[in-house]
Amino acid sequence: AQSVTQPDIHITVSEGASLELRCNYSYGATPYLFWYVQSPGQGLQLLLKYFSGDTLVQGIKGFEAEFKRSQSSFNLRKPSVHWSDAAEYFCAVGETNTGFQKLVFGTGTRLLVSP
Amino acid sequence: DVKVTQSSRYLVKRTGEKVFLECVQDMDHENMFWYRQDPGLGLRLIYFSYDVKMKEKGDIPEGYSVSREKKERFSLILESASTNQTSMYLCASSPIGQAGANVLTFGAGSRLTVL
Repeated sequence: AQSVTQPDIHITVSEGASLELRCNYSYGATPYLFWYVQSPGQGLQLLLKYFSGDTLVQGIKGFEAEFKRSQSSFNLRKPSVHWSDAAEYFCAVGETNTGFQKLVFGTGTRLLVSP
Repeated sequence: DVKVTQSSRYLVKRTGEKVFLECVQDMDHENMFWYRQDPGLGLRLIYFSYDVKMKEKGDIPEGYSVSREKKERFSLILESASTNQTSMYLCASSPIGQAGANVLTFGAGSRLTVL
């Protein structure tokens, strides 16, 4: 069965600094990979997704992620963090070889942005 | 603006009560999901449905049931609420299709407290 590991529970970044959130997945076939963001009291919003092709994908709000098959990773990056980026971020992997698709989520990383 | 609407944002129930959580989507999506979100555990899939009157167990179905009588509506039922079901419940939907089916649109969540 597929699984997702987000090793960092909390990360604090200064406003204007760069950000990288780690995500490692376990899946035998080519995965579909996703990053979602959850602002306080809200549902999850899709930031970006990887299905195939270019391994560097661009998302909303200036985020990007890079798929590295050799490392089974899909890390999320942003060059300059804004205070409004403070939220919880979830990495997820989707099945690609079954008749029904569903997502498996990591445990999330909470981003704190300091002034 | 397309969306997934969860009828109750906050609920407080007593142990043993029957609880209904309602979810409606206006995107004509075939797939609908109920997740449970707990700190440190991320999102865990309770049940999903890929068509009207069809349902499949997710990873943690015990203590829950679901109903999908219409395409746009997916209900989560707690037959006899227990304190360990205190949690945030997230509904989501997605279209069919190999890739698109994994792109979930989430509701804002229903926070249930069982006393």
